[in-house]
Amino acid sequence: KQEVTQIPAALSVPEGENLVLNCSFTDSAIYNLQWFRQDPGKGLTSLLLIQSSQREQTSGRLNASLDKSSGRSTLYIAASQPGDSATYLCAVLNDYKLSFGAGTTVTVRA
Amino acid sequence: DTGVSQNPRHKITKRGQNVTFRCDPISEHNRLYWYRQTLGQGPEFLTYFQNEAQLEKSRLLSDRFSAERPKGSFSTLEIQRTEQGDSAMYLCASSPFRTSGTSTDTQYFGPGTRLTVL
Repeated sequence: KQEVTQIPAALSVPEGENLVLNCSFTDSAIYNLQWFRQDPGKGLTSLLLIQSSQREQTSGRLNASLDKSSGRSTLYIAASQPGDSATYLCAVLNDYKLSFGAGTTVTVRA
Repeated sequence: DTGVSQNPRHKITKRGQNVTFRCDPISEHNRLYWYRQTLGQGPEFLTYFQNEAQLEKSRLLSDRFSAERPKGSFSTLEIQRTEQGDSAMYLCASSPFRTSGTSTDTQYFGPGTRLTVL
């Protein structure tokens, strides 16, 4: 059974600081890895998807890396803003289903 | 592309009552998934459909839960005799499925239905 772990569970930083969110998974036989954002009481917004053959993906201030062999991914958010405050979820795709971590709740202080 | 929609967005019910949720996927997507998310946790897979066929059900889906996708379009998730432990956010997602190879397509999530069982 795939287990996905996210560290830290919560993070509070001053505006402008770079964020580093970590995700690890136990079964490296994945098709892809996704990072999602979730605002309180809301659904999921996909931020980045990395195919299993890729090492990283970038979108604006976001960069995600994937090391499939070691079962790790890192999401970097540059120059954080208060609007980045949310919960960030990592999910891996095995066959048809996504397995999620519990998320990292980020607070960016103005 | 109007995205995945779910109704209702919120449902409050008393223990023992039946509830039904609806999910309308993105129109060209033939795969549809249900997940459940409890407070402070990530979503957990419940079941998925390819067209009208339900291909997999998690052990989380007890006999009180039933999901359907008639005609391969919208889907419903029914919970009978609700319990307080059923309180959660129920998320629906859809994706295209191409037979050309492995399934690497993004799952697009709806806004979810928040269920509170009193």
